[in-house]
Order: sequence, then structure tokens, then C-alpha cells
Amino acid sequence: GAVVSQHPSWVICKSGTSVKIECRSLDFQATTMFWYRQFPKQSLMLMATSNEGSKATYEQGVEKDKFLINHASLTLSTLTVTSAHPEDSSFYICSAWTSGGSSYEQYFGPGTRLTVT
Amino acid sequence: GNSVTQMEGPVTLSEEAFLTINCTYTATGYPSLFWYVQYPGEGLQLLLKATKADDKGSNKGFEATYRKETTSFHLEKGSVQVSDSAVYFCALSRNSGYALNFGKGTSLLVTP
Repeated sequence: GAVVSQHPSWVICKSGTSVKIECRSLDFQATTMFWYRQFPKQSLMLMATSNEGSKATYEQGVEKDKFLINHASLTLSTLTVTSAHPEDSSFYICSAWTSGGSSYEQYFGPGTRLTVT
Repeated sequence: GNSVTQMEGPVTLSEEAFLTINCTYTATGYPSLFWYVQYPGEGLQLLLKATKADDKGSNKGFEATYRKETTSFHLEKGSVQVSDSAVYFCALSRNSGYALNFGKGTSLLVTP
């Protein structure tokens, strides 16, 4: 089946620093990638949608200058948390969708746990 | 806007018990409905889906029927196994290629 990886799986950083999270589709080309954020015991909340070669579309309330998303190729999207603060600590999950596969299925990465100290 | 409400967990069942996890939704138009499962330490996996009213999705003994009249998509399994222990998410999407709206997830623990 289609596989999506995320790196790193876990990261700790100091307040004020930036952290980059990678999301890769390993065996297919992702037309669209989505970034979600999950708080403990809560739902996944969509942060942004990105299409290869285009600017990401951010959900209301998500700071685009803080959460920089780049979708430079059909297999890689990155999320950079700039000037991270403790309130940015969360579980970040990406998913990928391809127009060439099962049209309704999104493939999820295993997630990245970010802890800001 | 679109939203999904699912029953709070955790749910604890004995092996071979019957499982129901309730899910209701609010949406404009005709969304597609999904159940995703997240096993410990793994990413979300699609369990089953239904793309129009009265469709029944099924997989690995799990079933859910898209009920437009009650805006529901309840997950059922007749006989759960210990290996079914996971977190289950109900979700909807307004169309192919669009983002998913998730419920809060229901944790299921099946004991031997």
C-alpha cells in the first residue's frame, strides 16, 4: 500500500528556535498534502492544504508566517514551525492524496511529536 | 460548517463482545464518510468508507452504513478481538481530494 513517512518522529526544541518537519510519500506522487495538528484526547484539526508548486492554503486561525509549509515536489512537503513557543507543542500529522489512486483515500504519516521547552 | 461527533471513550470490551461506536455528522451537501483506525505508534489507516447515502462500508469484520436521514455512520463489529484495540476516528470529506473533518476519536480496549 501507499506509504507516507514523517521525520523526525519526535523533536524537542528550545523556545524561540525553528523546527522543520518533513512529510514524504514513498511510493506514489502526492497531488495534495494536508497538515493536521492533534492535541491530547482531541480531534485532528486541519492546519493547511498544499498542492505541489503552489502556495499552501491555511485554515482560519492558523498563522501562515509561523507555520511555513513548502510543497516543492510531488513527494515532499515540509512544515517549519518558526520561533516555536511552548504552546506550539503538539502532535503534527501529514496526509497525502493522489489523484491516481483510490480517489477518496488519504494516506497518513505516523506523526511528529513536537515539544517546545 | 462541517463537523463530526462521536461517542467519548474509552470503551472497554471483552473479547468476542459486540462493538458499536456512534458517529453523527453535520454537513452541507453530500459528504463522504470514513472510519480511520490508529494503532499504537502507527499512523491513521483507512478502515472503511461510504460515499453516498445507504452505502455500507465494510472491512475486517467492521461495518458502517451511511444514514442520511439520521446523519449517522455508526461503526459496528460483531465479535471484537484483542488486536482491535486502537483509537477509532469517524471523519467526513465533502469530496475527493478534500481535507477530512474528524471526530475526537474513541479509544477501544479489548481484554482477553
